[in-house]
Formats: sequence, structure tokens, C-alpha cells
Amino acid sequence: AQTVTQSQPEMSVQEAETVTLSCTYDTSESDYYLFWYKQPPSRQMILVIRQEAYKQQNATENRFSVNFQKAAKSFSLKISDSQLGDAAMYFCAYSSNYQLIWGAGTKLIIKP
Amino acid sequence: EAGVAQSPRYKIIEKRQSVAFWCNPISGHATLYWYQQILGQGPKLLIQFQNNGVVDDSQLPKDRFSAERLKGVDSTLKIQPAKLEDSAVYLCASSLVLMLGTGTGELFFGEGSRLTVL
Repeated sequence: AQTVTQSQPEMSVQEAETVTLSCTYDTSESDYYLFWYKQPPSRQMILVIRQEAYKQQNATENRFSVNFQKAAKSFSLKISDSQLGDAAMYFCAYSSNYQLIWGAGTKLIIKP
Repeated sequence: EAGVAQSPRYKIIEKRQSVAFWCNPISGHATLYWYQQILGQGPKLLIQFQNNGVVDDSQLPKDRFSAERLKGVDSTLKIQPAKLEDSAVYLCASSLVLMLGTGTGELFFGEGSRLTVL
């Protein structure tokens, strides 16, 4: 069965600095998709970035980028120039079909 | 474009009582999900609909939880009778496509319904 592991329950970063959130997954599939979702306090969850496993190029969305290492089954999220609005729970997720497998989340704290 | 609507936002009940949550997905989204999120944990899928058919309800405690999506649009999740461990946020989400890797493959979430069982 596929699993997603986020080993950092909580991370903190100084405003304007860079932080990397870790995610590893286990699968026997060769074709799949990976996602990072953000859940701000008392607000709805939104998609931050997604990566197709068949693409070697790492996805980027403005200040958010991923480091996708397919052989190592690693999918980390880098947030550059951290802002107070980035404070949230971040969830890594995997999908190879209609199911979405979620990690336990990492709480990101931004220090002003 | 209107987002996923959920109600009520907050509900407090005593154990053994019943509660119902309502969700209206984004217009045109065929796939609808109900998740249970306990504080400090990731979302746990309870049930997934494609139009008005059930795709996955393997983790739904069917002795107390029920869900329906009549006419393939809005949906209701019911808990009867509630237990203390049902205290959680119930998230509704919708997506345009069933296979999350195709197209935009994105889930759109509502703000959630927070249930407290005393």
C-alpha cells in the first residue's frame, strides 16, 4: 500500500528566509502525482504545487518549489522569502488513481 | 466562481445525539469527498462520490455514519449516534475530475464543519 511520511511535525523560519519541508512516500507505481496542500488556521485547504512523476523538471510556483527525487521517493517543498501569510499546516499527498494518500502534516511557524 | 460551501461551521452536541452536515460543491464538479480531520492529523477520507455513485466508502463507520449525494450535486453527511471520538473537523471537497493526476487534478475544499461531542 502507498504511504506518505512527513517526519517534521513542526518547523519554524525567520521571515524572509528559506525553509524546506520534507516528504517521503512509498509506492510500487511508476506513474503518479504528488501534491503539497496548505491549510492556514481556520481557513480552507488550498493546493500549493503539484508534480507529475514522469516529469524530471521540478515544479515551481512563484516562491514555492519542489525537489523531486524519484529514485529516493522524496518530495520536499522549498519556500523562499518566507512571509507571515505562509504560516499554516502543510500536507504532502500522493495519487496514482482516484485516491489521495495524505501525510500527517507539518506545522510551519513564521517568526517576524 | 463560488467555492465549496459547507454548513454548519460549528456544532456542539452531546454523545448519542445525531448531527448532519451539508456540502455544496463547485458547480460542474462531479467528484465530491468527505474527510474527517482530527486535530493535528491529516485528512482521513470517509466517502468519495462520483456524481451520485459511491467510489470509495471503505473507511466510513457505517454503523453510525451515512452520506448521500442525491441528484449528484450537494451532499449530506450524518452521524447517529455520535461518540466522543467523532469530535473533529469534517471537510468537504470537490474536484472536476475523478483521476487526480489528469487535467488540473486539484481538490477544492470548503471551510469545514467543526464538531464537538461532549
